Amino acid sequence: AQTVTQSQPEMSVQEAETVTLSCTYDTSENNYYLFWYKQPPSRQMILVIRQEAYKQQNATENRFSVNFQKAAKSFSLKISDSQLGDTAMYFCAFALYSGGGADGLTFGKGTHLIIQP
Amino acid sequence: NAGVTQTPKFRILKIGQSMTLQCTQDMNHNYMYWYRQDPGMGLKLIYYSVGAGITDKGEVPNGYNVSRSTTEDFPLRLELAAPSQTSVYFCASSYKGMNTEAFFGQGTRLTVV
Repeated sequence: AQTVTQSQPEMSVQEAETVTLSCTYDTSENNYYLFWYKQPPSRQMILVIRQEAYKQQNATENRFSVNFQKAAKSFSLKISDSQLGDTAMYFCAFALYSGGGADGLTFGKGTHLIIQP
Repeated sequence: NAGVTQTPKFRILKIGQSMTLQCTQDMNHNYMYWYRQDPGMGLKLIYYSVGAGITDKGEVPNGYNVSRSTTEDFPLRLELAAPSQTSVYFCASSYKGMNTEAFFGQGTRLTVV
């Protein structure tokens, strides 16, 4: 079974600062996918970024980037030039490569990120 | 484009009552999922379906049932509601498993009293 651990229950930064959210995971599998999902107060879950474990290059989506360290089983999310709209819960999630992730995602407990004006 | 629609958004049930949470998607996705989110926790998988007529248990299926008679609909039924089922329930769908982008509904907040 896979586990995902987010050790920061809450973080707070000033607008325009850079913030890094931590995530570690445990698996015996070699091929998998990792995700960061954002959940604003509206409760809507929104995909932020996705990383395939077989790719060494870190994924980037505009202001969002990841630092994927496969050997350390670490998958952190960096948000640059943070904006008030980034305030949300952020969940790290894992899906097995085999079966295409058909059997769903394993989520961490989440980090509540607050962007202060 | 509605995406994934869940109804109702809120519900209060008494212990022992039953109810069905509705989930509909209009993206022609084969894969659909039900998760629950307890306070301070991540989402946990209840049931999933890889196509019409096919369902399978996730991590926390006890106390729930599902059916998938059409591609669009994936209802979740609670039989004999218990306080432990107080949670926020999310339905999700994806084109080809959760390795691809999953689309979530806005959740149903259920309270069992």
